Amino acid sequence: DIVLTQSPGTLSLSPGDRATLSCRASQSVSGNQLAWYQQKPGQAPRLLIHGASSRATGIPDRFSGSGSGTDFTLTIRRLEPEDFAVYYCQQYVTSPWTFGQGTKVEIK
Amino acid sequence: QLQLQESGPGLVKPSETLSLTCSVSGGSMSSSSYYWGWLRQPPGKGLEWIGNMYNDGRSYYNPSLKSRAIISVDTSKNQFSLKLTSVTAADTAVFYCASGWTAIDYWGQGTLVTVSS
Repeated sequence: DIVLTQSPGTLSLSPGDRATLSCRASQSVSGNQLAWYQQKPGQAPRLLIHGASSRATGIPDRFSGSGSGTDFTLTIRRLEPEDFAVYYCQQYVTSPWTFGQGTKVEIK
Repeated sequence: QLQLQESGPGLVKPSETLSLTCSVSGGSMSSSSYYWGWLRQPPGKGLEWIGNMYNDGRSYYNPSLKSRAIISVDTSKNQFSLKLTSVTAADTAVFYCASGWTAIDYWGQGTLVTVSS
C-alpha cells in the first residue's frame, strides 16, 4: 500500500495568512494521481485538487496544488474564514486508494 | 453534476451484515464512465476507502476488510449498494457513497452506522 504522511498535523494561522500543507508518499505516485480534499465538521469531504495541481470545478484560485513523485503540497494563498477545516491528501494511482491522516487548519 | 444519497439502517448488531444503498440523480449510471464507490470514517478519525465498481464490471476492494465488502450496481434503479458482512464495533463509522472519473468528485452526505447489540 502507498502510505501518505501529512504534515503538520495542525496548522494555527490567522485569516489572510498563507497556508502550506505537505503530503509525502511512501513510493512514487505515478501520473501525479493525487488529490486534496477539504472537510468541515459534520460534512462530507469536498474535492479541491486532482492530478496534483488541477483545481476542481468551482474551487477558488487561492487554492493551488503542486509537486510530483513522492512530495506534494497544497497552498492556500490567503486564508478566508471558511477555509479553516481539515485537509486530506489521497492517492488514486493504485488499489487500495489511501489517504493521509489529515492536517487541521485552525484559527490562531 | 451528480447527486448521491445514502440510505440504510443506522444500527446493526455485531456479526450481522451492514447493507447500505446509494441513490444517484443528475445522470444515468448506465451511460456514464464513472466508478461507483464507498468510503467510511470512524467518529473523530480519518477516511478509509472501501472499494469501487466500474460499469465494465471491474471491482476493487480494500484488502484491510478481508473480503467482507461487496459492492453491487443496479443501473435500472440508478442505485448502487454496499454489503459489509460480520460487522463488529470497529465497523462503526460514517459511510459515504462516492463517484467520479478518477479522483472522488462526488460524495453523498454520509450516514452514520453504529454496530451495537
